Amino acid sequence: DAGVIQSPRHEVTEMGQEVTLRCKPISGHDYLFWYRQTMMRGLELLIYFNNNVPIDDSGMPEDRFSAKMPNASFSTLKIQPSEPRDSAVYFCASSARTVTGELFFGEGSRLTVL
Amino acid sequence: DQQVKQNSPSLSVQEGRISILNCDYTNSMFDYFLWYKKYPAEGPTFLISISSIKDKNEDGRFTVFLNKSAKHLSLHIVPSQPGDSAVYFCAASGHNDMRFGAGTRLTVKP
Repeated sequence: DAGVIQSPRHEVTEMGQEVTLRCKPISGHDYLFWYRQTMMRGLELLIYFNNNVPIDDSGMPEDRFSAKMPNASFSTLKIQPSEPRDSAVYFCASSARTVTGELFFGEGSRLTVL
Repeated sequence: DQQVKQNSPSLSVQEGRISILNCDYTNSMFDYFLWYKKYPAEGPTFLISISSIKDKNEDGRFTVFLNKSAKHLSLHIVPSQPGDSAVYFCAASGHNDMRFGAGTRLTVKP
């Protein structure tokens, strides 16, 4: 059984460019989460979806960030325009039944904005 | 607003000894607590959890202790092994919310 799949694994881009990160959750999982990991703040929740509907996006840092989940097997996190301070590892995670239980994480997308 | 705090960014222990990782939380609405382990270039993976109705949960070499009055939990690994070297994240959840700490990097020396 495949786990959560994220792409790209690494992205290097220049300030001002658009960045799109992709995620395929585990089949059958109802919840999908986007997290950002930084040295200072650890794992920050950006947004989560339940049955493809965004439920809580209070963690999205700015209007430059947007996320979509057009169907149960695909989600994107977009940053436009990107800035150097957006450099971090972005994780997607999915969960079967609840927000508060065990999450299954992808391997992450390391973003570097020059 | 850090609702979950792991005040030790790193910990180094000798193989065979006990590792104790600590975590504090501020929100009394949290009622379920989890530890995740993360190796470099991988995503975090679930390790062990505890409900607020318990004060201890054990799984092999891993034990999590919860002190609700102090809003404190700890993860004990005994005996520690070099393969336990990783970053450990504490998470607290409840009422449709889950928060993670900043992580503690554990190094187990042979």
